[in-house]
Amino acid sequence: NAGVTQTPKFQVLKTGQSMTLQCAQDMNHEYMSWYRQDPGMGLRLIHYSVGAGITDQGEVPNGYNVSRSTTEDFPLRLLSAAPSQTSVYFCASSPLQGTEAFFGQGTRLTVV
Amino acid sequence: QQQVKQSPQSLIVQKGGISIINCAYENTAFDYFPWYQQFPGKGPALLIAIRPDVSEKKEGRFTISFNKSAKQFSLHIMDSQPGDSATYFCAARRGNQGGKLIFGQGTELSVKP
Repeated sequence: NAGVTQTPKFQVLKTGQSMTLQCAQDMNHEYMSWYRQDPGMGLRLIHYSVGAGITDQGEVPNGYNVSRSTTEDFPLRLLSAAPSQTSVYFCASSPLQGTEAFFGQGTRLTVV
Repeated sequence: QQQVKQSPQSLIVQKGGISIINCAYENTAFDYFPWYQQFPGKGPALLIAIRPDVSEKKEGRFTISFNKSAKQFSLHIMDSQPGDSATYFCAARRGNQGGKLIFGQGTELSVKP
């Protein structure tokens, strides 16, 4: 059972480039979320989804897009990367009838 | 606006001692309060959680104390071990918003042998 899988693990982008962070879960969870982790800031919610076709914004959504076409996948898109988006990104999933959120291993993104 | 405030930012404890991390929240609609543990290079993992209808929950060496009137909760790690060295996050969630966790700033715990 793989749980929540994030790819890539590391990425360096130039300012203005675009990229997609991938997230997949094999637990058939309804809820999926993206967080960014910055020193002294904890984890902040970027976007989340309550099921296929349904997404909503979190605390820090600007500069990021998401879509959810399947239960399993929840990609995060950076359309024009900025140095302020240098961070560690975590994807998480949780079941509809439950409370525990399961996190992936993270993607460390550097924008230069 | 930081809805969940966590302190201290870092903590050094001797092996066998008690580690205490505190959190305070503002939104009275929160009804689920988990603690997550994160080791370097890994994602956070659920450690222990509590709902506001109880004042304390204990799992092994880990205890959550909850004070609803003060809107505060804390994590106590008894008999702290070097393997407990990690970053700890408190969090909160509203009951009808599964998947939306609001995290505290994190506490980096170091347990010295």
